Amino acid sequence: GQQVMQIPQYQHVQEGEDFTTYCNSSTTLSNIQWYKQRPGGHPVFLIQLVKSGEVKKQKRLTFQFGEAKKNSSLHITATQTTDVGTYFCAGPVGNQFYFGTGTSLTVIP
Amino acid sequence: EAQVTQNPRYLITVTGKKLTVTCSQNMNHEYMSWYRQDPGLGLRQIYYSMNVEVTDKGDVPEGYKVSRKEKRNFPLILESPSPNQTSLYFCASMNPAGTENNEQFFGPGTRLTVL
Repeated sequence: GQQVMQIPQYQHVQEGEDFTTYCNSSTTLSNIQWYKQRPGGHPVFLIQLVKSGEVKKQKRLTFQFGEAKKNSSLHITATQTTDVGTYFCAGPVGNQFYFGTGTSLTVIP
Repeated sequence: EAQVTQNPRYLITVTGKKLTVTCSQNMNHEYMSWYRQDPGLGLRQIYYSMNVEVTDKGDVPEGYKVSRKEKRNFPLILESPSPNQTSLYFCASMNPAGTENNEQFFGPGTRLTVL
């Protein structure tokens, strides 16, 4: 069946270091979304990528959608303690949504 | 304020005792969905609904039922809960797939424990 894997599962960084999470789907996706879930909270939408090879930036966050539309990455430059949380990618296959397994980011002050 | 609400937020129950988790959205969204979140597995879709009276199975529908009698409400029903349904449940809504922005809005979550 459809699977969306993310690596790493956990990442601990010193504040100011960069962070990257990778998302890989077993099938081609029409678009990919990224969500952030703070500890004890609910997922909150960050961005959607639609085009093959698309790159979008939000301040220190850079999102990329692979050429084959099966993989994506989120890169955070110079992490801050406010970046703590779990980051999920998600994409639709037909009318169903598949979420990645998530990457939990801890930022050490 | 645009939001998705869920009730209850926390629930401890016993095996076999039927329960319902309510979900309501005030954004006039057509698409609504239920997910369960378990450590290491991310969010898995249980059921989704494209519109009123239209529901479909997601990835993990066994042991769950849903209904969509009104656009704003999408309750999740566990007819005979079992311990393996202990999880964190999220309801979400969005404009339907195919529109430009498929942002899903999530409720605050319901933490269910089945003893």
